[in-house]
Amino acid sequence: LAKTTQPISMDSYEGQEVNITCSHNNIATNDYITWYQQFPSQGPRFIIQGYKTKVTNEVASLFIPADRKSSTLSLPRVSLSDTAVYYCLVEGNTGFQKLVFGTGTRLLVSP
Amino acid sequence: DTGVSQDPRHKITKRGQNVTFRCDPISEHNRLYWYRQTLGQGPEFLTYFQNEAQLEKSRLLSDRFSAERPKGSFSTLEIQRTEQGDSAMYLCASSLGRTDTQYFGPGTRLTVL
Repeated sequence: LAKTTQPISMDSYEGQEVNITCSHNNIATNDYITWYQQFPSQGPRFIIQGYKTKVTNEVASLFIPADRKSSTLSLPRVSLSDTAVYYCLVEGNTGFQKLVFGTGTRLLVSP
Repeated sequence: DTGVSQDPRHKITKRGQNVTFRCDPISEHNRLYWYRQTLGQGPEFLTYFQNEAQLEKSRLLSDRFSAERPKGSFSTLEIQRTEQGDSAMYLCASSLGRTDTQYFGPGTRLTVL
């Protein structure tokens, strides 16, 4: 499974756009990229998933360049409730889906 | 609320005691996963069921750990002779198929004194 690297922490203010970049240099052709969000004392929650280019949902956007060696999670106009840990995962498309989490990015949103 | 429930939410036990946790997945999901998360780390995979069959176990799952999923519905994770190093959050997740999103429960926080 491809290893991912993301910043340990980020700080932002309410109303700002936050971009969290993840590198996955060894991503395989069949792999896709998934982001999870985790609040304290809760299980991770799926945010968004993509394979290439751009994916957008009601919560976030995911930008994936052509070489797919990195991806950027974009959170528009963050609020205090977006303070959480964000995990970037690379998932294979064969076999069962054992998720491999890194240490994630701790996002702190301040007033 | 993802639809995956876990019980209990918190468990405090003394070293050497046995504990059992329960996970109820989303009803139509045939895949069930257990993960363990320690403070400051991301979740680590423990084991995986497809229906009632346990198909994969991590090396993290020592012989003191056992998991079952009778009838392919709920699952239990038992830890025998608990050690202080077992203190962690135990997370359960379920999915409908191989490539479907995993939905996590709220976890069971275990503290071994």
